[in-house]
Amino acid sequence: GAVVSQHPSRVICKSGTSVKIECRSLDFQATTMFWYRQFPKKSLMLMATSNEGSKATYEQGVEKDKFLINHASLTLSTLTVTSAHPEDSSFYICSAWTSGRINEQFFGPGTRLTVL
Amino acid sequence: DAKTTQPPSMDCAEGRAANLPCNHSTISGNEYVYWYRQIHSQGPQYIIHGLKNNETNEMASLIITEDRKSSTLILPHATLRDTAVYYCIARGGGADGLTFGKGTHLIIQP
Repeated sequence: GAVVSQHPSRVICKSGTSVKIECRSLDFQATTMFWYRQFPKKSLMLMATSNEGSKATYEQGVEKDKFLINHASLTLSTLTVTSAHPEDSSFYICSAWTSGRINEQFFGPGTRLTVL
Repeated sequence: DAKTTQPPSMDCAEGRAANLPCNHSTISGNEYVYWYRQIHSQGPQYIIHGLKNNETNEMASLIITEDRKSSTLILPHATLRDTAVYYCIARGGGADGLTFGKGTHLIIQP
């Protein structure tokens, strides 16, 4: 299967700082990447859809100015949590969609964000 | 995406076949059935998908009823490493984000 990596795997930061999370497709090109968030014992929630070279599309209730997404290349998308607060602490997971197959999404291992 | 219904939890003995049901009675003709699983604190893993016909790969088999209103994921010889939350998702093709329900927490017992 296709491999998607995320960096960092976990991060702890102080309230008010910004944190950048990288998502890379290692062995394929991804025209579309997705960002999800998962709170403890809850299911994954789609935050936004990221298309290479264009602005991300955010789901209802997700603040685009707080969660900045950049998809500058076919193998890299970044999520920046700006002015993070404790309520932003969560498990952030990206996925990449492979063109050429029928909508198989491959997920990264996730990033655990803890805001103190 | 069509709504799917799964039991919240299931147990299965190690070495036995694990059969995970999913109901998707409102699925439309162009929607596929996808299965993913999530092992604790990891990203979801794609397992298998199908439209009408039964499918098999190295991980599992997918049995879809003739009316397509339900399906069963079969792990033929479950191991302890198969303990995870399994998600059944019904959706069309295209680059759209996935809507995850609550899934089935499958616990493989030694």
